[in-house]
Amino acid sequence: DSGVTQTPKHLITATGQRVTLRCSPRSGDLSVYWYQQSLDQGLQFLIQYYNGEERAKGNILERFSAQQFPDLHSELNLSSLELGDSALYFCASSPRGNRPNTGELFFGEGSRLTVL
Amino acid sequence: TQLLEQSPQFLSIQEGENLTVYCNSSSVFSSLQWYRQEPGEGPVLLVTVVTGGEVKKLKRLTFQFGDARKDSSLHITAAQPGDTGLYLCAGLYTGGFKTIFGAGTRLFVKA
Repeated sequence: DSGVTQTPKHLITATGQRVTLRCSPRSGDLSVYWYQQSLDQGLQFLIQYYNGEERAKGNILERFSAQQFPDLHSELNLSSLELGDSALYFCASSPRGNRPNTGELFFGEGSRLTVL
Repeated sequence: TQLLEQSPQFLSIQEGENLTVYCNSSSVFSSLQWYRQEPGEGPVLLVTVVTGGEVKKLKRLTFQFGDARKDSSLHITAAQPGDTGLYLCAGLYTGGFKTIFGAGTRLFVKA
């Protein structure tokens, strides 16, 4: 158990819909990262938050948005869903703040999104 | 574009064999991690290397960081079926905030 909690574990929805994925980082970790993992693209970095502020952005679509709340949990919002958005979405937290000493990440178990 | 290339992409071996997987980039890392991921689960951190030339051992697994901090290798001695999984390398580039992942090496160890 990494200490990172993600909900829901599984989600099935239709094209055009909107979903919200939730993540609680490990106790004491200020940074939250979101990754997308699909079969053909591996783990793709989406976005990072540190103590409520966006710190780094990766290949995140405009239809996707995220935020980190004062209690440090984070939500990833996916809208106007397309078939290609079906993937595993992982949240990770890191032991340090905005600039991890070593880049180590602790992952949740992921949310599997299926868009039909 | 910052890339981490892993090889081989897929490896199927018999129990007891040794194997090495590689992780390469043209850029310099401030640190590099190896993770193992099982189906339906999140990646689990195995090791972090930060110093060029560093070697770390974790039971039957040996991790090496290249002298120039651009590459790394993972060597498994006497592989067991329990070693089966997806091995991912990940790096934090010098001056960067985000951790980039390689595509992974999928290992299958047959009993």
